[in-house]
Amino acid sequence: GAGVSQSPRYKVAKRGQDVALRCDPISGHVSLFWYQQALGQGPEFLTYFQNEAQLDKSGLPSDRFFAERPEGSVSTLKIQRTQQEDSAVYLCASSFWTGAPYNEQFFGPGTRLTVL
Amino acid sequence: TQLLEQSPQFLSIQEGENLTVYCNSSSVFSSLQWYRQEPGEGPVLLVTVVTGGEVKKLKRLTFQFGDARKDSSLHITAAQPGDTGLYLCAGVSAGGTSYGKLTFGQGTILTVHP
Repeated sequence: GAGVSQSPRYKVAKRGQDVALRCDPISGHVSLFWYQQALGQGPEFLTYFQNEAQLDKSGLPSDRFFAERPEGSVSTLKIQRTQQEDSAVYLCASSFWTGAPYNEQFFGPGTRLTVL
Repeated sequence: TQLLEQSPQFLSIQEGENLTVYCNSSSVFSSLQWYRQEPGEGPVLLVTVVTGGEVKKLKRLTFQFGDARKDSSLHITAAQPGDTGLYLCAGVSAGGTSYGKLTFGQGTILTVHP
């Protein structure tokens, strides 16, 4: 389909392992967002890209979290030395930057990360 | 820090009943959006409200934006089991380097029993 896709859908990691989560946005979408969603909670903003430029990374919880979008399309969220508190669903969203206030973000299905 | 308080957190009702979910903000956003999320999927946009006092209707769903643009409500008339899901309000930030960034409320888990 033409929606946002994420892989893997599920990831189990041992504490201390590094993980990489991939997001394929909708083709042509300029803006790309990463959110973290704990069980039963609303998503929380992690970082924002406009094309290949990471304009806001204020939501990244620690320096173990790193995101990139080198060619302005596919993005990868990397978590180094995973901890149990990193267990969550990681959502990616993209939008054709029409600007606020009618900005519509299209979300992927998320990657559920479980750290043992 | 901009925060959105959403209530109630859980709602369990019978088919045919009406319900209202509330969303209150500590500050003003450029707009406010309501999303619905099903298990194993990402949130899907239902509506965007921009103007204070605005009311939008989507079939049995009615969305209101407060006059001061700091609070909103979602009202569902004659709920059906297909309405079951997680409902999220989100404030849209404008300006600076976070254009379009969403700040979500905690969500309301709605269960409609047949």
